[in-house]
Amino acid sequence: GESVGLHLPTLSVQEGDNSIINCAYSNSASDYFIWYKQESGKGPQFIIDIRSNMDKRQGQRVTVLLNKTVKHLSLQIAATQPGDSAVYFCAENSGGYQKVTFGTGTKLQVIP
Amino acid sequence: DTAVSQTPKYLVTQMGNDKSIKCEQNLGHDTMYWYKQDSKKFLKIMFSYNNKELIINETVPNRFSPKSPDKAHLNLHINSLELGDSAVYFCASSQDSPNYGYTFGSGTRLTVV
Repeated sequence: GESVGLHLPTLSVQEGDNSIINCAYSNSASDYFIWYKQESGKGPQFIIDIRSNMDKRQGQRVTVLLNKTVKHLSLQIAATQPGDSAVYFCAENSGGYQKVTFGTGTKLQVIP
Repeated sequence: DTAVSQTPKYLVTQMGNDKSIKCEQNLGHDTMYWYKQDSKKFLKIMFSYNNKELIINETVPNRFSPKSPDKAHLNLHINSLELGDSAVYFCASSQDSPNYGYTFGSGTRLTVV
């Protein structure tokens, strides 16, 4: 399944399936993008980042895709696990001094 | 060892009071931030300090005053608290480089009654 993070939507995924969380960013001059995971009662946690000179970057079970033409970012989580349940934020660095602007977040619910 | 620690975790106070939230990071980062997260989970930057110097000051009421005694600490003082100040406040830090993300604290849930 996939979702667009324009307001806080909920994406429900069966355990073991792949998840795709989408994000539309606003500033075409942004050159650094980050995905964060925020579990209930905790602060956002860095997952993976990508610079604008790349269009794909892979981590452990996560892949970030960047499409600068349409200003779109996605986070793919392979074999989603219950521990992946959280709110996911995309963020863009649109200022010179690491001024990071966060998207509105997508809540991922993993169904056991 | 907690990398970015904020205190208190919960703060319930009456309108009109003055309160402070403290933040400390032991990562050796040069830049620290305060973010406000509203009830819809939207994260908005308030302030940023680099080596004790204010570098970002978003449109925040002047009742909010950050103070950075050294680069490992960034405290937030709020005067004359209002109901609308109720939110979760996050402190964060980062390397002085565009190649790294933030490390966040666990947040302070402020409730103004």
